[in-house]
Order: sequence, then C-alpha cells, then structure tokens
Amino acid sequence: EAGVAQSPRYKIIEKRQSVAFWCNPISGHATLYWYQQILGQGPKLLIQFQNNGVVDDSQLPKDRFSAERLKGVDSTLKIQPAKLEDSAVYLCASSYRSYNEQFFGPGTRLTVL
Amino acid sequence: AQSVSQHNHHVILSEAASLELGCNYSYGGTVNLFWYVQYPGQHLQLLLKYFSGDPLVKGIKGFEAEFIKSKFSFNLRKPSVQWSDTAEYFCAVYINTGGFKTIFGAGTRPFVKA
Repeated sequence: EAGVAQSPRYKIIEKRQSVAFWCNPISGHATLYWYQQILGQGPKLLIQFQNNGVVDDSQLPKDRFSAERLKGVDSTLKIQPAKLEDSAVYLCASSYRSYNEQFFGPGTRLTVL
Repeated sequence: AQSVSQHNHHVILSEAASLELGCNYSYGGTVNLFWYVQYPGQHLQLLLKYFSGDPLVKGIKGFEAEFIKSKFSFNLRKPSVQWSDTAEYFCAVYINTGGFKTIFGAGTRPFVKA
C-alpha cells in the first residue's frame, strides 16, 4: 500500500512569512495527525483529526497555526506568520483508528530565517 | 500532566552487546504502548506495540519490550545489537483522558560501534 505522502520536503522562509504543508494519508485511515519535531526532541502533537473533525488541538498555537482536513482525506497545515522558533520538522501521520499504530510520512523540514 | 520519560538519551555500545532502553510514563489509567524507530534518512516506523495480554511483546528485528504496570514502564530490549541498530528510538503512550491522545518521549539514540 502507498504510504503517507507529504510535501514539500524542505522549505526555507523568512520570519513573518507564511507557509503551508500538505499531507495525503493512507487510504482508509480515519485519523490524521500533525506533529512538530524540534531537533533533539520527540514529536509533539499539534492537531489530530478524526475524519474531518478535530479531536485534539490543545497544543496548536492557534494565533498563527491553522489546519484543515477537507472531505476527511488530505490535510493542510499553515503557519502565518512564521517565527524563528517554528523551525522544525513537521510530521504527518495517519492511523486506521486512534488507538492503532501510526504510519508516518517523511516530514517537511522548515527553516525560518 | 501526562508525560513519557526516556532514559539514556545517548548510548554507545559495541556490536553483540545487549541493549535496554528505558521508558516510563505518568498515567494511571489504561494505556496502549508503542516503540517507534527512525533509522537515518528514513521515516518513523513501528517497532512493536502492547495493547493487552502477555506483557512481554516481540517486535521486528529481534527487539522485545516488557510492560510492567506497577512500575509504569515499557522498556525496550535486544539481546545482541548490530551496527544497523544505530537509530533513534521513541516510546509512545496512548491514553484516554476524556479525549484520546498519544504522547511521545524525547527519544534515545544508541550508537553501535562496528
């Protein structure tokens, strides 16, 4: 089966610019996750979708981050405006159900200058 | 707040040595437990998981982990490591606190010398 797809793989922007990331989960997976992984740390959950509804966005900085999952399939994560501390790898993952193992995409490495 | 602690953030081993990576979590309810691994240049992938039943679970590539409920631990072990086991290992805990969430530890990076 095809894995989780993410694009772009790398992005370099200046602070205060905006950026968007795209994720296509594994077909049939109801749960989709966006994580932020800062160098030397474990993945931190930003937002979790169940189909097209938000289950958990308690750690999403809502003043600058937004995410949507239209039609319960693809998802986009946006940062506007970006800050230096947003430099990280943004991981998308999906699972058949929320308690199952997660399948991760390759991630997007964001550098904010 | 719930958390997952991983010990020995950096470990250096020789090939054929035994490996044990610690994982402790702070949550008193029912949990599902996972170990994920990220090899250099590759995606995070599942190594093994525990939902219920036998607390000793076996995963891919000769890894195993033991769930000790009384100690809130889920330590990962491998009797004899290979150079190819150099990777970053993450412990993750799935909990239900009225909402479902998975919490990851900070990761442990063992380096295996050939």
